[in-house]
Amino acid sequence: GAVVSQHPSRVICKSGTSVKIECRSLDFQATTMFWYRQFPKKSLMLMATSNEGSKATYEQGVEKDKFLINHASLTLSTLTVTSAHPEDSSFYICSQGRLAGVQETQYFGPGTRLLVL
Amino acid sequence: GIQVEQSPPDLILQEGANSTLRCNFSDSVNNLQWFHQNPWGQLINLFYIPSGTKQNGRLSATTVATERYSLLYISSSQTTDSGVYFCAVNRDDKIIFGKGTRLHILP
Repeated sequence: GAVVSQHPSRVICKSGTSVKIECRSLDFQATTMFWYRQFPKKSLMLMATSNEGSKATYEQGVEKDKFLINHASLTLSTLTVTSAHPEDSSFYICSQGRLAGVQETQYFGPGTRLLVL
Repeated sequence: GIQVEQSPPDLILQEGANSTLRCNFSDSVNNLQWFHQNPWGQLINLFYIPSGTKQNGRLSATTVATERYSLLYISSSQTTDSGVYFCAVNRDDKIIFGKGTRLHILP
């Protein structure tokens, strides 16, 4: 099956610092990857669609200057939370979709837990 | 936009019991998937099921696209089935998740 990794798995940082989260596709070249955030006991909320070689597409209400997405290669997308604040504390998950015939199935990374003090 | 509603929001069952989780969606969709999020946060794809019925071991799912709902059946529940079950629909290249059903299987 597909393997998507994320690093780091958890991070604690001080308010005002920036945090970079990496999402790697280990066995597949993904032109598109998705970034989600999930608050405790809540559903996943799509933040943005990361497109290789072009700018990310952000969902309404997501600050693109706050959450910088870079999809530099077909196997790596990064999400940088700039000047993090306690309200940015959340579980961040990336995913990629793969087509197998007519089916597109989402494969998720293990997630990154961010705690901003 | 499209609405995805899951029921029940919470479910507590004894080990060995069967359960049915429901997902309603408000408009036509390109596909529908069921996921299990384990207590550590990892999301696992269970079924890709835009229509029809599929089975995988103790789990099966049915989607009736014309009536805009999908059901996930879990038989002979085990404690490892605990976690949150999400359905997600795909429409216009966007994936929309329901709020999930939190399942807790008691030993």
